[in-house]
Amino acid sequence: KNEVEQSPQNLTAQEGEFITINCSYSVGISALHWLQQHPGGGIVSLFMLSSGKKKHGRLIATINIQEKHSSLHITASHPRDSAVYICAVCLRTSGSRLTFGEGTQLTVNP
Amino acid sequence: EAGVTQSPTHLIKTRGQQATLRCSPISGHTSVYWYQQALGLGLQFLLWYDEGEERNRGNFPPRFSGRQFPNYSSELNVNALELEDSALYLCASSLGVAGSSGANVLTFGAGSRLTVL
Repeated sequence: KNEVEQSPQNLTAQEGEFITINCSYSVGISALHWLQQHPGGGIVSLFMLSSGKKKHGRLIATINIQEKHSSLHITASHPRDSAVYICAVCLRTSGSRLTFGEGTQLTVNP
Repeated sequence: EAGVTQSPTHLIKTRGQQATLRCSPISGHTSVYWYQQALGLGLQFLLWYDEGEERNRGNFPPRFSGRQFPNYSSELNVNALELEDSALYLCASSLGVAGSSGANVLTFGAGSRLTVL
């Protein structure tokens, strides 16, 4: 069993839809990252969370430490949001080393 | 402000050769991280350097090594290349230990794609 699991693996949405990507982890963490990977490989760090909720534009990330669960929400989705979204956790036992989820491939159709 | 820069963008080598990949972190960032993303696999942690020292390494053989220079730039060396080393190698930097505080977010480079024939 992976220490970090994401769902769904693939997600297709119509422009304007509200999107949720989920991330569950099984160990204690010091922080959780949401990353966006564009075609070709470039990665952008969207959020780093250790508690609560963060918002940036149309993106919202939440984390529930007790339930070991985080969600990434995209409101009013747009085709340019199409990318792979990756959840990564910083394990308390591993210093700064990140453990990654498998990623969620999001396709937003116009 | 320049982001994390990696070179080369693409590199083609043959089995048994050595590959060297380079990373320049954001100015002022002292920590550099290397990750491998092989085809069909997720991102895997390779190495972490901070203040010139190797702080942690992932489950990779000793063929994978690197170093961090006094200007905080870093090199990843892969010796005795094997076909399965073909992957996208991503470098990231942070001001301090990534995840240790709200300021220490990771910034990724665009990656270097290594192809081993």
